[in-house]
Amino acid sequence: TQLLEQSPQFLSIQEGENLTVYCNSSSVFSSLQWYRQEPGEGPVLLVTVVTGGEVKKLKRLTFQFGDARKDSSLHITAAQPGDTGLYLCADERTNAGKSTFGDGTTLTVKP
Amino acid sequence: ETGVTQTPRHLVMGMTNKKSLKCEQHLGHNAMYWYKQSAKKPLELMFVYNFKEQTENNSVPSRFSPECPNSSHLFLHLHTLQPEDSALYLCASSQQADLGTEAFFGQGTRLTVV
Repeated sequence: TQLLEQSPQFLSIQEGENLTVYCNSSSVFSSLQWYRQEPGEGPVLLVTVVTGGEVKKLKRLTFQFGDARKDSSLHITAAQPGDTGLYLCADERTNAGKSTFGDGTTLTVKP
Repeated sequence: ETGVTQTPRHLVMGMTNKKSLKCEQHLGHNAMYWYKQSAKKPLELMFVYNFKEQTENNSVPSRFSPECPNSSHLFLHLHTLQPEDSALYLCASSQQADLGTEAFFGQGTRLTVV
């Protein structure tokens, strides 16, 4: 059974600071997805990375996939209060739709 | 608005009650999912339906009974639940269960069992 570990579990920073959160897998990812879940809402997909070493940027968010496809990082530059939420990584397996989620990083950005 | 709608948003039920959660998607997807999200635990996949056929039951207790009458609707029937079943229940859909494509989530039903 694949295990996804996310760190840190909680992160509280001031507006304007930079941060990085991590996702590590006990096995190779099929493809890795990052979601953000705001309070009272369901998770929303931010990005999917497939190729080892891949880097994707989404405005102030930079996603990096490890060369061995067993780890990933999400870097946020100049965080804003609107970035507050639970950041989840997931391995979206193609086998019958099973997917494994990490336990998430809860980010709070204070004004 | 993700195109996946769940009702009700909040539900409080006693352990002897019977209730149903509803999920509807307007995205033309063929796969639908139920997830359970508890405090301090990862998102847990419960059931997967692909083209109306159940393809995954992740060792879920029989007090949870899913129903998928068509590709657009998914229900979760609840009976004789326990307090530890209190959680956020999320529905999701995707194009097809075996394609690894993006899952779109509903806003969830916050269930409290008293």
